[in-house]
Amino acid sequence: GAVVSQHPSWVICKSGTSVKIECRSLDFQATTMFWYRQFPKQSLMLMATSNEGSKATYEQGVEKDKFLINHASLTLSTLTVTSAHPEDSSFYICSHPARDTDTQYFGPGTRLTVL
Amino acid sequence: GENVEQHPSTLSVQEGDSAVIKCTYSDSASNYFPWYKQELGKRPQLIIDIRSNVGEKKDQRIAVTLNKTAKHFSLHITETQPEDSAVYFCAASGGEYGNKLVFGAGTILRVKS
Repeated sequence: GAVVSQHPSWVICKSGTSVKIECRSLDFQATTMFWYRQFPKQSLMLMATSNEGSKATYEQGVEKDKFLINHASLTLSTLTVTSAHPEDSSFYICSHPARDTDTQYFGPGTRLTVL
Repeated sequence: GENVEQHPSTLSVQEGDSAVIKCTYSDSASNYFPWYKQELGKRPQLIIDIRSNVGEKKDQRIAVTLNKTAKHFSLHITETQPEDSAVYFCAASGGEYGNKLVFGAGTILRVKS
């Protein structure tokens, strides 16, 4: 299956700062990537769909000005959490769909802690 | 839109027993139903999936059944082992939301040795 990496694997930041999370598809050109958020002991919730060369589409209730997504190349999508607050502390996971099947390949996730 | 409900939220079984987790979905157009295992702090790991043109699929100790009429699907783990302990998520896609996955709330499976 495809290999997806994320960087950093964990980050601790102060409230009010911005944090960028990178999601890379290492062996596959992904025109679409998905960003999920997972709070402790909860399920994965889709935040947005990242589209290469165009604007991301956001799920209802997700602030596009707070969670900036950039998908400038077929192998890299970034999620920037702007003006982070403690309630943004979560596990952020990206994925991309396989080419010819419904399968999605998930990145290892990024643990964000906002103090 | 799609809504996926998953039960039970926690499940404890004795090693060697079977475990069954059930999910229902709302969008009759959904056609892909994967199951994921997630260990603490790790990414979800696909363990088995089924598409709407199939009623049952098996892979060694793991099986999934799908009832399209009732819009529910189930995960069956036989001969459970302590290493099966994890959180399991069902998901659905292919309906109104296209290839976006909608996840169930998850089931904490504990296998007692």
